[in-house]
Amino acid sequence: SQKIEQNSEALNIQEGKTATLTCNYTNYSPAYLQWYRQDPGRGPVFLLLIRENEKEKRKERLKVTFDTTLKQSLFHITASQPADSATYLCALAGYSSASKIIFGSGTRLSIRP
Amino acid sequence: DAGVIQSPRHEVTEMGQEVTLRCKPISGHDYLFWYRQTMMRGLELLIYFNNNVPIDDSGMPEDRFSAKMPNASFSTLKIQPSEPRDSAVYFCASSRGGQGSYEQYFGPGTRLTVT
Repeated sequence: SQKIEQNSEALNIQEGKTATLTCNYTNYSPAYLQWYRQDPGRGPVFLLLIRENEKEKRKERLKVTFDTTLKQSLFHITASQPADSATYLCALAGYSSASKIIFGSGTRLSIRP
Repeated sequence: DAGVIQSPRHEVTEMGQEVTLRCKPISGHDYLFWYRQTMMRGLELLIYFNNNVPIDDSGMPEDRFSAKMPNASFSTLKIQPSEPRDSAVYFCASSRGGQGSYEQYFGPGTRLTVT
């Protein structure tokens, strides 16, 4: 069955450093990969989308890579700030409109001042 | 737009009672999704609608769960009878399209506690 794995352990990073989160998947060939941010007590908020034919996508301090050979996506936050502290979820989907989006369990990121 | 609206934000009920969760999607969004989030299982898709029609309800855990979308601006998720294991945060989300190329907009969630 399809499986998505994200860092189960919380990630603690010093402010100003680059935070790197990992999303690995098995038994799936997604056409799209999305990253969401979730703060405590709130719903997930969309951050970035990357397609299978794209290697990298950037948005301000965020960068996402998508390696379909390794079946892995990396999510980078450069110049991290305490306000970046949250849980980050990756989500995968196929081409079809009937293809459901499957979410990973998320990685909790803490940026210490 | 106010975003996706869910009510109530918190619900505490006793086992065996009926629970109804409500959602108002973003205007113009053709897809509506209901999710359940727990520490153990993460974010799970329960059911989704396209133009008010249920498309995939394979994630609905059992017959005690039902969902309706009588019009483009309103959906309900009902649990009858409720059980303690239904305790979770339930999210409603909407999007312009059903493919993974469309971002989903989530509501604030309803935290359900069944005692």
